[in-house]
Formats: sequence, structure tokens, C-alpha cells
Amino acid sequence: RKEVEQDPGPFNVPEGATVAFNCTYSNSASQSFFWYRQDCRKEPKLLMSVYSSGNEDGRFTAQLNRASQYISLLIRDSKLSDSATYLCVVNPMEYGNKLVFGAGTILRVKS
Amino acid sequence: GAVVSQHPSRVICKSGTSVKIECRSLDFQATTMFWYRQFPKQSLMLMATSNEGSKATYEQGVEKDKFLINHASLTLSTLTVTSAHPEDSSFYICSATGRNNEQYFGPGTRLTVT
Repeated sequence: RKEVEQDPGPFNVPEGATVAFNCTYSNSASQSFFWYRQDCRKEPKLLMSVYSSGNEDGRFTAQLNRASQYISLLIRDSKLSDSATYLCVVNPMEYGNKLVFGAGTILRVKS
Repeated sequence: GAVVSQHPSRVICKSGTSVKIECRSLDFQATTMFWYRQFPKQSLMLMATSNEGSKATYEQGVEKDKFLINHASLTLSTLTVTSAHPEDSSFYICSATGRNNEQYFGPGTRLTVT
């Protein structure tokens, strides 16, 4: 079983749609969780950290369910510029600050 | 936000030569930096953890004699791909950890070995 699993997609949605990505992780001791965004042939950029209480940043909402070892990202009112690969990232902590990346979920927003 | 730079952004070299890639944290000190490799349509794979003032820790399957890492200061880590071969062609990305345990990535170096 992979340490971090994501639905690879692609998710093809129209502008203005709401889309949700899911991610599961295998290490129950993990403490830090993140969503990164990666554009084609570019480096990953931190989108948001994910906290136990859930957090929201504009159109983006992240949720963490520790009991189910599940992380989600909700994007409301999708824009064309949201098209990218979204990476679910977990810090298992037992390895220090090493991050484990999911394979990514591709989002394509179309007009 | 924290800024991490990499140099060069793109390099083409001949098989058998060595290539050095620099990673710098520009506005913060990073005792730990990470080196990743990404092949087309695949996710980032951690190659090694670079620790300032000590030897790097390599992931399983990564040859330490082929991928030399030096972390000489709190703001600079270098990765040298020695005796490069076409199969080493990839996107190499470094990252550094900020104060809140968030990792900031450099813009990456695209290596092509001919």
C-alpha cells in the first residue's frame, strides 16, 4: 500500500464548478499535512497546510479526518487558472522533516 | 514567503560528464534541505536529505557516489550528478524547510544528458 494515495484524475470541470479531491495516508502517526499545487514543468508550490480543525483560504477548504486517515481539498467557483496537479503531502514525522508525496490529482478547468 | 533558488535552471550535458546544481535559501537559514527527482508524469521522489555540516542521508536505491551532496552552509546545498548518463535526465528539485515545518521548493533544474 502506498503511503499517500490520491485519485489521479483527471478531473475535467467547467468554470464555476465545485470540485473535491481526496487523499488517504497510511501512517497513523503522521502529524503534518499539506496540499501543494504543481503546474506543468514547474516546481510544487504550497497551497495550504491542513489542520485538524480544517482550514479555509478563499475558495479553498482543506479538511483532515485523523480517524479515517483522510485529507480533502475543496475548490469552489473553479477558475481556468486552477488547472494544475494537486499534490497531497504528508510528513510522517518519524523521519524528521521528510515529506511523502502523493502522485497527484490532475484538475482541468474548462470554459 | 520563503524563497529558494536553484541554479542552473536548465542544463544539457554529454554522457560521462558531471553536473553541479546549487540550491540556496535566500531569506532564511535551512539546516536541512532535500533533493528530489521527478520524471515526466510521475510524482516527486525524494533522493536525499542534506544536512548542514554533516553527511547527507540517501534514500534507498539512490547511489551516494553518483549523486554527491554538499551542504556547506546554512543557505547552500549542492547536488553533483557524476558521470551522467541519459537515464539521469530528469527534473531535479530542491527544497528547504521553513519555520513552520513547511517546505519551500526551488524552481527546479531540468537536466538533459545526451
